[in-house]
Amino acid sequence: GENVGLHLPTLSVQEGDNSIINCAYSNSASDYFIWYKQESGKGPQFIIDIRSNMDKRQGQRVTVLLNKTVKHLSLQIAATQPGDSAVYFCAESYFMDTGRRALTFGSGTRLQVQP
Amino acid sequence: DAMVIQNPRYQVTQFGKPVTLSCSQTLNHNVMYWYQQKSSQAPKLLFHYYDKDFNNEADTPDNFQSRRPNTSFCFLDIRSPGLGDAAMYLCATSTLSNQPQHFGDGTRLSIL
Repeated sequence: GENVGLHLPTLSVQEGDNSIINCAYSNSASDYFIWYKQESGKGPQFIIDIRSNMDKRQGQRVTVLLNKTVKHLSLQIAATQPGDSAVYFCAESYFMDTGRRALTFGSGTRLQVQP
Repeated sequence: DAMVIQNPRYQVTQFGKPVTLSCSQTLNHNVMYWYQQKSSQAPKLLFHYYDKDFNNEADTPDNFQSRRPNTSFCFLDIRSPGLGDAAMYLCATSTLSNQPQHFGDGTRLSIL
């Protein structure tokens, strides 16, 4: 989808709390989803992915939940640390008419961790 | 470590003066992507190479072109940069187009 606006939504949490970042995706044909973390001045860094045949996947301190019915994706970060402060993007992947895959990024959420 | 390397990290050019940004990878991935990212926005795909097969996004301006002379290198050429082209340019790679993309740290382009 289009990315509009100059201000990212911001989630502010206390160190040690759990964080939940939400994402609504647009294409019902999307079958692969990725969460990226982007720190200031750096490129997006892969965190975790999930395919559409799953509704939950866990990594180290992170969990991704997928609800295909409402086209919603969430990233849960357990025991949030100051180093988790960054902008988080969800991305959806789907096949185009050409047979190639497209990857579309969501608009991003800024996570601020308060010490 | 295998990685995606972008040079330079910061590039300043003059309005209308051609500029080339470079990307190299040691991952031996067959797909390479160029994205434009403006402040507080998500990366926007400009084009990608699937091996030597070039794929341009429909809304990528003609001002932007790319070259991939071999598997490891990919270049972004901006023929006549305008003020609106000031942005972070990100290069990414993947093994297949359905695998997670690995990003470089970008080149921040400023236009004087």
